[in-house]
Amino acid sequence: EDQVTQSPEALRLQEGESSSLNCSYTVSGLRGLFWYRQDPGKGPEFLFTLYSAGEEKEKERLKATLTKKESFLHITAPKPEDSATYLCAVQATNAGNMLTFGGGTRLMVKP
Amino acid sequence: DAGVTQSPTHLIKTRGQQVTLRCSPKSGHDTVSWYQQALGQGPQFIFQYYEEEERQRGNFPDRFSGHQFPNYSSELNVNALLLGDSALYLCASSLAGAGGWTQYFGPGTRLLVL
Repeated sequence: EDQVTQSPEALRLQEGESSSLNCSYTVSGLRGLFWYRQDPGKGPEFLFTLYSAGEEKEKERLKATLTKKESFLHITAPKPEDSATYLCAVQATNAGNMLTFGGGTRLMVKP
Repeated sequence: DAGVTQSPTHLIKTRGQQVTLRCSPKSGHDTVSWYQQALGQGPQFIFQYYEEEERQRGNFPDRFSGHQFPNYSSELNVNALLLGDSALYLCASSLAGAGGWTQYFGPGTRLLVL
């Protein structure tokens, strides 16, 4: 069974204090790993797709990396508007198109 | 470019009732997936529709059913509502075929069962 575990569950940062969010996964065969951002009461907003170990992608203050067992979302010099829940999901090669999500990391950035 | 849209935004029902939620996919997409998200948890896959057929199903009872129309829009139906069905219901769309793995989500429908 595919499993995704995100840590920490919650993270408080001061504005400008860089940090990383972790996503550990177990999957029979990885088709892709996805990062989403979700604001309270809204739908997840797509950030990145990573397909193979060693791949990295960047967008503004966010950088996602992938190894064979985990992915990291690095946040550099965060701003209060980066406060949200960050969700990680995997798609297995033998599971069609379904996404298996982790529980998310709630990030709060204080000014 | 229109994104994924869902209706209604909020809904209140009582136990035992039935509910229908609606979703229009992102322009150019032909596949619709439905997810249930309980408060404080990650979304859970309910099922996926492509070419008007259910192609894949998660671990949900058959009280949960769906439909896809020729214009690719979709409905999620839940019968005999339970208190535990209270959640945010998310629709996601994608394009079938190689490289179309990324799913884009709508704003969700918040269902409260009393």
